[in-house]
Amino acid sequence: GAVVSQHPSRVICKSGTSVKIECRSLDFQATTMFWYRQFPKQSLMLMATSNEGSKATYEQGVEKDKFLINHASLTLSTLTVTSAHPEDSSFYICSASSLAEPYNEQFFGPGTRLTVL
Amino acid sequence: QQPVQSPQAVILREGEDAVINCSSSKALYSVHWYRQKHGEAPVFLMILLKGGEQKGHEKISASFNEKKQQSSLYLTASQLSYSGTYFCGTVGDSSTSYGKLTFGQGTILTVHP
Repeated sequence: GAVVSQHPSRVICKSGTSVKIECRSLDFQATTMFWYRQFPKQSLMLMATSNEGSKATYEQGVEKDKFLINHASLTLSTLTVTSAHPEDSSFYICSASSLAEPYNEQFFGPGTRLTVL
Repeated sequence: QQPVQSPQAVILREGEDAVINCSSSKALYSVHWYRQKHGEAPVFLMILLKGGEQKGHEKISASFNEKKQQSSLYLTASQLSYSGTYFCGTVGDSSTSYGKLTFGQGTILTVHP
């Protein structure tokens, strides 16, 4: 089956610093990648959708200047949390899908736990 | 708009059955079901498409009523490993919704020995 990796799995940083999270599709070309955020005991909330080679589409209420998304290739998307603050602490999960996938199945990465001190 | 799941929580003994429901206020193209264990990413269970196609695991079954915009996940002869939070994700039936999953609030399932 399709495999999506995320790096790092956990990151702790100081307030004000920037953190980059990588999402890679290992065995397929991901035409679209999605970034979600999940706070404790809550559901997954879609932050943005990115298509390879084009600008990401952000959901309402998500600051595009704070959460920078780059989908540079068909196998890699990155999310950079700029000037992170404690309220940005969350579980960030990416998923990837392919136009070749008839069921529009999204393949999820293992997630990145971000803690901002 | 977020789909609504019911019940919010279920407690079972091993071997018992459970049904989790997911209801949307908008027309749907597909419904996706996932199970998430604490601290882990969601694990795919099943996809149901408008028109009747399905893709999923052998031991999991689900239904999708397109007219009512509802889906149900059926868990039979539950095992301890079934414990977790179950999410339904819906994809709207419009061009602007293509591929975008909107998740329900989750149903916490606990299976006891």
